Amino acid sequence: GAVVSQHPSRVICKSGTSVKIECRSLDFQATTMFWYRQFPKQSLMLMATSNEGSKATYEQGVEKDKFLINHASLTLSTLTVTSAHPEDSSFYICSARGTGVGYGYTFGSGTRLTVV
Amino acid sequence: GQQLNQSPQSMFIQEGEDVSMNCTSSSIFNTWLWYKQDPGEGPVLLIALYKAGELTSNGRLTAQFGITRKDSFLNISASIPSDVGIYFCAGVSSGTYKYIFGTGTRLKVLA
Repeated sequence: GAVVSQHPSRVICKSGTSVKIECRSLDFQATTMFWYRQFPKQSLMLMATSNEGSKATYEQGVEKDKFLINHASLTLSTLTVTSAHPEDSSFYICSARGTGVGYGYTFGSGTRLTVV
Repeated sequence: GQQLNQSPQSMFIQEGEDVSMNCTSSSIFNTWLWYKQDPGEGPVLLIALYKAGELTSNGRLTAQFGITRKDSFLNISASIPSDVGIYFCAGVSSGTYKYIFGTGTRLKVLA
């Protein structure tokens, strides 16, 4: 149980375009989803926390107008990187927390974004 | 953003050897977790610790929640080649549900 699917796994886009990444909880309802960014050989840095039906809470230094997060249902959260630039190239990972679950959240398999 | 200090940063060991790594924080956490990440994949949960002093095992892995609640340790016994990867600790503060990740330990096992 507790499977989180993230799509796409890899995406290459042109500078100035927008990219949407989806995070789905397949067999549980995710009350909270988290979005992380990971640069090569570095740790995961939390970008934002999203609760179903409410606005996301962004970490300090993360531009909310650039990284749009939507958590419209209990099984789906999306991260849209708007007007992407090469410095946005990174590995983006989501995790999901379900109701009645401890702190061992399940992570998606990540999305490798390359902006050219 | 905040990160936890994790050491060692990297390790090269022989197959069959035991491995130890630790994570320290200036803040108290109510939950400690250990994850393993393979290249190009998301982290996979290894062990979750919920109580100070708790010692929990998962196969060849053993982790402990430090008494001070500011540190945690992970031991891997009799390492095998598939143990290769990056190991991250994560601390969780009560009520926030947010993880603070460690800086990671990169493990390489030589056959």
